[in-house]
Amino acid sequence: GENVEQHPSTLSVQEGDSAVIKCTYSDSASNYFPWYKQELGKGPQLIIDIRSNVGEKKDQRIAVTLNKTAKHFSLHITETQPEDSAVYFCAASIYGTASKLTFGTGTRLQVTL
Amino acid sequence: DAGITQSPRHKVTETGTPVTLRCHQTENHRYMYWYRQDPGHGLRLIHYSYGVKDTDKGEVSDGYSVSRSKTEDFLLTLESATSSQTSVYFCAISESNREQETQYFGPGTRLLVL
Repeated sequence: GENVEQHPSTLSVQEGDSAVIKCTYSDSASNYFPWYKQELGKGPQLIIDIRSNVGEKKDQRIAVTLNKTAKHFSLHITETQPEDSAVYFCAASIYGTASKLTFGTGTRLQVTL
Repeated sequence: DAGITQSPRHKVTETGTPVTLRCHQTENHRYMYWYRQDPGHGLRLIHYSYGVKDTDKGEVSDGYSVSRSKTEDFLLTLESATSSQTSVYFCAISESNREQETQYFGPGTRLLVL
């Protein structure tokens, strides 16, 4: 089955700096890659996703890049703010198969003042 | 939370007792999922449903059963709870169509098995 590895497990950045979280996947058939943000005591919330027919997608301060050849994808957060502090999860699935997501182990991002 | 509620939100139970967790959605989505979240493991799929009475196993289904008798409700049952099933359980629904397949998560149920 699919295996998703996520790095780093913790990340501390100063407010205003950029943060990058990286994930690799094992199944070349995977073609849908969402990113979730989880705040303390809450369920994961989708923040951005990408399908394998594009290499990059942006939404304001958040962007995701995908390298299908290397089987890795990354989340980029620019101009970080304290409210970006949370745990971020990447995931992978094969689109059209009931979205059986395989998740990475999470990255705890702390944005310091 | 995309119209998803989970009950109970917190539960403490003893080893060997049966436990049922409920997920309720208000938006008539076809797909529903149960995940467990544990430190160092992220979220792992337990079971999922693709319609009323249509369910299938996920990655970590041993010790769990599910039922879906109505579109809006998806029940997760621990037949005989064990300490290894202490976890946070999340229900999710999927908006699945030709253009998009996105999962949205409920608020979670924290289960402690003593």
